[in-house]
Amino acid sequence: AAGVIQSPRHLIKEKRETATLKCYPIPRHDTVYWYQQGPGQDPQFLISFYEKMQSDKGSIPDRFSAQQFSDYHSELNMSSLELGDSALYFCASSKQKDTQYFGPGTRLTVL
Amino acid sequence: AQSVTQPDIHITVSEGASLELRCNYSYGATPYLFWYVQSPGQGLQLLLKYFSGDTLVQGIKGFEAEFKRSQSSFNLRKPSVHWSDAAEYFCAVGSFEGGKLIFGQGTELSVKP
Repeated sequence: AAGVIQSPRHLIKEKRETATLKCYPIPRHDTVYWYQQGPGQDPQFLISFYEKMQSDKGSIPDRFSAQQFSDYHSELNMSSLELGDSALYFCASSKQKDTQYFGPGTRLTVL
Repeated sequence: AQSVTQPDIHITVSEGASLELRCNYSYGATPYLFWYVQSPGQGLQLLLKYFSGDTLVQGIKGFEAEFKRSQSSFNLRKPSVHWSDAAEYFCAVGSFEGGKLIFGQGTELSVKP
């Protein structure tokens, strides 16, 4: 069965640079969620989209923005990167806000 | 406030022994409950979920969990652990409206031969 696809899988950036993470949901899923997992931490909810509209917002820094496109894929844009942004970023998708299925994650390292 | 507590940070069991991972939640409305498993550097795989109905739910890989409303608990069990079960296990709670998941701190499971 098709799963959630995230790209890139690994990303290394310098401080103050920008990064764009992409998420391709499971086919026919209309809801996308973004989570951040710091080292040794549990995943923390950042933001979600349902039918291309923002549906919920968590502890997402103002330096971050995200959107969901007409084909339901989503992008998380991160600017002015800080060392503390180093984490594993997960995307999850669901159909009509049902069970969330997670992607493999993007590991972001900020140097 | 909504929260999930996994009291055990790290558990070690012998291969073939039984396993129970504890999860307690605090949630104002009717909770949707999940267990996910994460191998090192990997994504989160759904083991099982509880929405309503039978309070004992079966999942993949031989896992089951029991929802006890009176105790606000959703403990994960497996009768016989395999070495491949070594991983981090997360309990999570969500809402009927399908919003964000709130995760517990995770329990790291080690399996000794």
